[in-house]
Formats: sequence, C-alpha cells, structure tokens
Amino acid sequence: DSGVTQTPKHLITATGQRVTLRCSPRSGDLSVYWYQQSLDQGLQFLIQYYNGEERAKGNILERFSAQQFPDLHSELNLSSLELGDSALYFCASSVSGTSYEQYFGPGTRLTVT
Amino acid sequence: AQTVTQSQPEMSVQEAETVTLSCTYDTSENNYYLFWYKQPPSRQMILVIRQEAYKQQNATENRFSVNFQKAAKSFSLKISDSQLGDTAMYFCAFMKLDGTYKYIFGTGTRLKVLA
Repeated sequence: DSGVTQTPKHLITATGQRVTLRCSPRSGDLSVYWYQQSLDQGLQFLIQYYNGEERAKGNILERFSAQQFPDLHSELNLSSLELGDSALYFCASSVSGTSYEQYFGPGTRLTVT
Repeated sequence: AQTVTQSQPEMSVQEAETVTLSCTYDTSENNYYLFWYKQPPSRQMILVIRQEAYKQQNATENRFSVNFQKAAKSFSLKISDSQLGDTAMYFCAFMKLDGTYKYIFGTGTRLKVLA
C-alpha cells in the first residue's frame, strides 16, 4: 500500500458525459501528479500540482482540468468524454518538488461507452 | 524533449534464470534520475529500483540490478533468480531535475516468468 488513495476504482460512463476522479496523496506529500495509461501503453504525464498551485502540464486535453485543494487532495475533471478517453488514470504523490520518488495510487479505470 | 525507448515489447524467462530488460533514453541533460517500475496484473505501479545519473555505481536491490551506461544513454534492468511473482509489465522512467520532477515513461516490456 503506497498510502495514495484514488476514488472511484472503476467508472463507466457514456460519451459526452463529465466525470471527476479524486486523489488523496500520502500524508505530508505536497506534490500530486496525474498520469493516463491507455490500453497496454506507457503512462503519459498529464499535469502536476504542488501545494495547491499548478506546476507543470503535459499533453493534457483542453477538455480535462485539475485542481488541488487546501487539504492537498486533488481532482481530475474530464468532460465531453470520448471513447478514446477510456484508460487507467493514475495519481502519484511526492514529498516536495525536490523528492525524486513518486508513490502511485491504485488508479481509476475509466470506461467510456 | 526527452524520450524513453523500450525495444522489447515482450520477454519470457524460465523460473530461477536471469533476464535483462533494455531501456535507452535521449536527453541533453547531465543530471537526472532513472527508474524501473513494475506493474503486475493488479495494475499497481511498484518502484523496483532507481539510479541517480551522477552516481557511477550501478544500483542494486536484492535480485534486481541495473547496468547504467551514461555515455550510451542506456539503463538496463537485470533480474536474477527470476520468480513467478516477477511476471509483470516493466516500465523504464526518466526524470529531469527541472523543478517539476515529472516522469517520462517508456512503453513497457511485458515479462512472463515460466514455471
């Protein structure tokens, strides 16, 4: 158990809908990272937050957005969902921007039908 | 931009044997970190081993060791005495020390350990 929690575990929704994925980092970790893993692919970096502020952006679609709240949990919002958005979404956390090890949550599997 | 290449989509090894997974990367940076992560069927990402680029000594963790060749930009993972529980996807990851510390992952190698 990495100490990072993600909810829900599974999500099935229809095209055009909007969903919110939630991540709670390890106690004391200030940085949260979101990654997307499509079927049998590597993980693609989406976005990073550090202590409530956006720190870095990857190839995140405009339909996707995220935020980190004062209690440090983070939410990834996916809207106008398309079939191609079906994937495993991972959240990872690290102690600070200078910590080199990220701890991954169990992921949320999103299926868009 | 940095890229990470894992040229072996699938590999298999007999139980108790040794296997080496390849990873190459492209960067103009001098300081960075490299990681190997394991993803078993449960899909959990588990850190196997990490290597700091400024360290010449290869990292080892029990049955896992790396061969880090900085000039060649190569970072291979050796698994000794393979066990059935080593069956998983293995991802190589690169991290630049640019203040964001985000990972860039390779596409993975699916390893199957045969009884």
